[in-house]
Amino acid sequence: GEDVEQSLFLSVREGDSSVINCTYTDSSSTYLYWYKQEPGAGLQLLTYIFSNMDMKQDQRLTVLLNKKDKHLSLRIADTQTGDSAIYFCAATGTASKLTFGTGTRLQVTL
Amino acid sequence: DSGVTQTPKHLITATGQRVTLRCSPRSGDLSVYWYQQSLDQGLQFLIQYYNGEERAKGNILERFSAQQFPDLHSELNLSSLELGDSALYFCASSATVRGPYNEQFFGPGTRLTVL
Repeated sequence: GEDVEQSLFLSVREGDSSVINCTYTDSSSTYLYWYKQEPGAGLQLLTYIFSNMDMKQDQRLTVLLNKKDKHLSLRIADTQTGDSAIYFCAATGTASKLTFGTGTRLQVTL
Repeated sequence: DSGVTQTPKHLITATGQRVTLRCSPRSGDLSVYWYQQSLDQGLQFLIQYYNGEERAKGNILERFSAQQFPDLHSELNLSSLELGDSALYFCASSATVRGPYNEQFFGPGTRLTVL
């Protein structure tokens, strides 16, 4: 089955860019997602990318997909303290089963 | 607000007991998913229901069971509770069950503490 891996922790300074990385194993994954979990809350979909795209930009968020290496990244420009959260990468294959990564805790310091 | 509701918000109970967690999906969503989030295991998929029928099973223990009712709300039953069952339990719902796009909407979670 699908396996999705992420680094556990990232610390950045306010105003800098954050880059959160993710790798997945199933080359048939058709959609890849980034979810955000704020403290004490459930997960919320931030953005997604279809597997035939290399890049998707949405305001401060840029998603890059390297299908050959099965590598997905989320770049947050001008990171703010409100961006402090856990970010989950997730993938679906043809069966629509959603597999989540372990989550990356982003800490934004002043 | 995702439109998914979960009750109760917090639950404290003792080892060996049984509890029921409740979830109401977003209006119109037929699929319900249950997840367990703990510090050491991360986010684990437990089980999925679609329109009342079990559709997929993940890392769900035999002591746990779930069901989805005709009005589409779902309950997760946890029995013979152990200390290690302490976790956040999330419910999510989605409109689709077929096709690769699967946006799930998460509830706020139920925090279970087993003492």
